[in-house]
Amino acid sequence: QVQLVQSGSELKKPGASVTVSCEASGYRITDSAMNWVRQAPGQGPEWMGWINTNTGNPTYAQGFTGRFVFSLDTSVSTAYLQIRGLKADDTAVYYCASRLTAGTGIYAFDIWGQGTMVTVSS
Amino acid sequence: QSVLTQPPSASGTPGQRVTISCSGTTSNIGSNSVYWFQQLPETAPKLLMHRNSQRPSGVPDRFSGSKSGTSASLAISGLRSEDEAAYYCATWDDNLSGLVFGGGTKLTVL
Repeated sequence: QVQLVQSGSELKKPGASVTVSCEASGYRITDSAMNWVRQAPGQGPEWMGWINTNTGNPTYAQGFTGRFVFSLDTSVSTAYLQIRGLKADDTAVYYCASRLTAGTGIYAFDIWGQGTMVTVSS
Repeated sequence: QSVLTQPPSASGTPGQRVTISCSGTTSNIGSNSVYWFQQLPETAPKLLMHRNSQRPSGVPDRFSGSKSGTSASLAISGLRSEDEAAYYCATWDDNLSGLVFGGGTKLTVL
């Protein structure tokens, strides 16, 4: 079964760091880029950027540079999102997403993780 | 405020046809393909449309997409209760060098 399975919810204090994992199963993680998407409560999704799963090279969207780090461990088919110096407005659901079906456009994310809720509160 | 503009809400009765609009500019919709995603409550978004009007395998042909100039539309015919969800358009923005989403349209089936 092709799926992305993310780590569980996190409750963190401002200034702390958090790492969200996204494990790919049923396909080779190196077959497709991994994207990260943030969705704050009651808001639409925001694309955070992507990581090249062959080279490990990350690309960050505007607004997601500096405190956000994408990484990869292909030996365990897992992508990671680390957020440093957490702020209250980082409170959101974070999704990993990828496109597996060729010919649909590179942002035709046809596989999504279940989402990880990160809550930042003192 | 989202780069792509969608109406915050839409509604229809079972069997009706509803259309959801998505307005952008020449740097996004005007020059790139549009995607549509459906998000049921408490679930991850699901790809509904790619390349403006192409349905992924498994998406019913009740759903159709179109694009003209700097606007795109998603039409749902034969409305069903299970279509009640939030719908988001998305496309690449050349100026921002990033994928941008609309603010979403909450569809209510009356």
